[in-house]
Amino acid sequence: NAGVTQTPKFRVLKTGQSMTLLCAQDMNHEYMYWYRQDPGMGLRLIHYSVGEGTTAKGEVPDGYNVSRLKKQNFLLGLESAAPSQTSVYFCASSLPLTSAAYEQYFGPGTRLTVT
Amino acid sequence: AQSVTQPDIHITVSEGASLELRCNYSYGATPYLFWYVQSPGQGLQLLLKYFSGDTLVQGIKGFEAEFKRSQSSFNLRKPSVHWSDAAEYFCAVAVLSGYSTLTFGKGTMLLVSP
Repeated sequence: NAGVTQTPKFRVLKTGQSMTLLCAQDMNHEYMYWYRQDPGMGLRLIHYSVGEGTTAKGEVPDGYNVSRLKKQNFLLGLESAAPSQTSVYFCASSLPLTSAAYEQYFGPGTRLTVT
Repeated sequence: AQSVTQPDIHITVSEGASLELRCNYSYGATPYLFWYVQSPGQGLQLLLKYFSGDTLVQGIKGFEAEFKRSQSSFNLRKPSVHWSDAAEYFCAVAVLSGYSTLTFGKGTMLLVSP
């Protein structure tokens, strides 16, 4: 089991460029999440998905889009990158909170720098 | 909306000493509570969780946490800290409402001195 994997691990973008971050999980989890982590801010939820074909906004969704075309994959897109989007991005997956086995499993992160 | 407060940004503990990391939450009903640990350059790993039942929960790596409803707290403890425990620790809360999501505290960085 690879768990949760993220591609790429590092990326440098220029302002205005676009990119897509890929998250994949092999645990057959219904729920998937995208967070950003900034110093002193903890983790903040960008978007999440409770199943294939469904997505919802989190705490800080502006400037990002997501898609969940397959259950195992969750894509995060930046259409026009801004320096404020310089951050470390984490993907996670889980069962529903109603499950006694609930926990969020995290990927290793993607470090994005926008210049 | 629920919120989580970790009052200490940094804590330094001597190796072998005991540790307590504080976490307070704000929500009317009983929340689901979690502690995660993040080593440098890594993702987050679950240490322990509280859903219901016994208010003292045991986790991995010798950690434990106690849920105190009267104080809205879920403090993390370890009786003897090892140098390998140096990391950032995050408390998180979820409530069973709609599509429940986790709300994280801002984290406490633990430094271990020899």
